[in-house]
Amino acid sequence: DAKTTQPPSMDCAEGRAANLPCNHSTISGNEYVYWYRQIHSQGPQYIIHGLKNNETNEMASLIITEDRKSSTLILPHATLRDTAVYYCIVRVANGSGNTGKLIFGQGTTLQVKP
Amino acid sequence: KAGVTQTPRYLIKTRGQQVTLSCSPISGHRSVSWYQQTPGQGLQFLFEYFSETQRNKGNFPGRFSGRQFSNSRSEMNVSTLELGDSALYLCASSYGTAGNQPQHFGDGTRLSIL
Repeated sequence: DAKTTQPPSMDCAEGRAANLPCNHSTISGNEYVYWYRQIHSQGPQYIIHGLKNNETNEMASLIITEDRKSSTLILPHATLRDTAVYYCIVRVANGSGNTGKLIFGQGTTLQVKP
Repeated sequence: KAGVTQTPRYLIKTRGQQVTLSCSPISGHRSVSWYQQTPGQGLQFLFEYFSETQRNKGNFPGRFSGRQFSNSRSEMNVSTLELGDSALYLCASSYGTAGNQPQHFGDGTRLSIL
């Protein structure tokens, strides 16, 4: 089972910031938080990942709470092309053979509206 | 740099047949993982290969198998096809197996069983 909980759907106005929450209260110290998104009929697209510090790249920012039990993906200026299913995943960092196994939940369907 | 390439993109088979799907990872990537996506079960992990060795396997019957070649290209095979095997099969590659190395997905092979 997925170790994350996400709202099933969210709306966002075009041009505004989209803030997607994720709860991972049972995360272990050696697990990363990953975010992917999937646009219909395409493969999941990697967005960003982090361990405990906040991260930013050209696509998004990832804010992880100090206790690491939850995180927020921020798309700073959402466009219609950001409409997709967003998946939050926790992934073992090392020390076992399970590092390559991503466990997907149901994700959050983000609808960006004009 | 070219992304993950999966062939064919679409495939139609009948029950009882077998099928082989192909995945070419991003150049330099040595780890390949396979996933199955269906409307009912979502994205589920099938198996992971690194340096021609299977490192991890998901909860699928033995009809599902795979292999990886010395050039990191991978194939997966499904024998004795069943209607329930109709799905989008996704391949993902990463540089290595560490948890902080993102997996990058191809756009999948859509398999339909008649």
